[in-house]
Amino acid sequence: EDQVTQSPEALRLQEGESSSLNCSYTVSGLRGLFWYRQDPGKGPEFLFTLYSAGEEKEKERLKATLTKKESFLHITAPKPEDSATYLCAVQAVGSQGNLIFGKGTKLSVKP
Amino acid sequence: DAGVIQSPRHEVTEMGQEVTLRCKPISGHDYLFWYRQTMMRGLELLIYFNNNVPIDDSGMPEDRFSAKMPNASFSTLKIQPSEPRDSAVYFCASSRTEYNSPLHFGNGTRLTVT
Repeated sequence: EDQVTQSPEALRLQEGESSSLNCSYTVSGLRGLFWYRQDPGKGPEFLFTLYSAGEEKEKERLKATLTKKESFLHITAPKPEDSATYLCAVQAVGSQGNLIFGKGTKLSVKP
Repeated sequence: DAGVIQSPRHEVTEMGQEVTLRCKPISGHDYLFWYRQTMMRGLELLIYFNNNVPIDDSGMPEDRFSAKMPNASFSTLKIQPSEPRDSAVYFCASSRTEYNSPLHFGNGTRLTVT
């Protein structure tokens, strides 16, 4: 069964304290891995798509990496405005468009 | 680009009542998805359409749920009759292509069934 597990469930950081979020996945064949950011009361907002092991994508203080079993979202010198829930999702080969989401990591960055 | 538009933002209803959620996808997107989000189960796909045609409704929990897409700019998700366990946030999303294009989500409808 295709599955996505994110850890930790919640993470509290001080402003400037770098860290990483983990997304472990099990799929029969990976077509793509997606990272989204979700703010309270809002829909998920697209951040990155990764397609193959070794691939990296960056956007401001965020960098996403991908291996054959997991993806990491590295946050460098976070700011309070980075506080949100970060969702990871996978699209499996033959899934016909379905994204399987993890339950997310709730990140809080304190000034 | 106005993004995906959902209405209403909040819906409170009593058990047994009919509920209709509405979605306007991004113009030019030919895929539309309905997801449900709860604390326990996270985001789950209910159904998706391609060019207004339902492709996969295996995520629809029961016959009480139905979805339609009468044209490229409008979709509805209906629950009849509603039950307290249907309480959740329902998201609509659209995309250009099936595999390589990210989904763009609306801001959801928070449904509370009492």
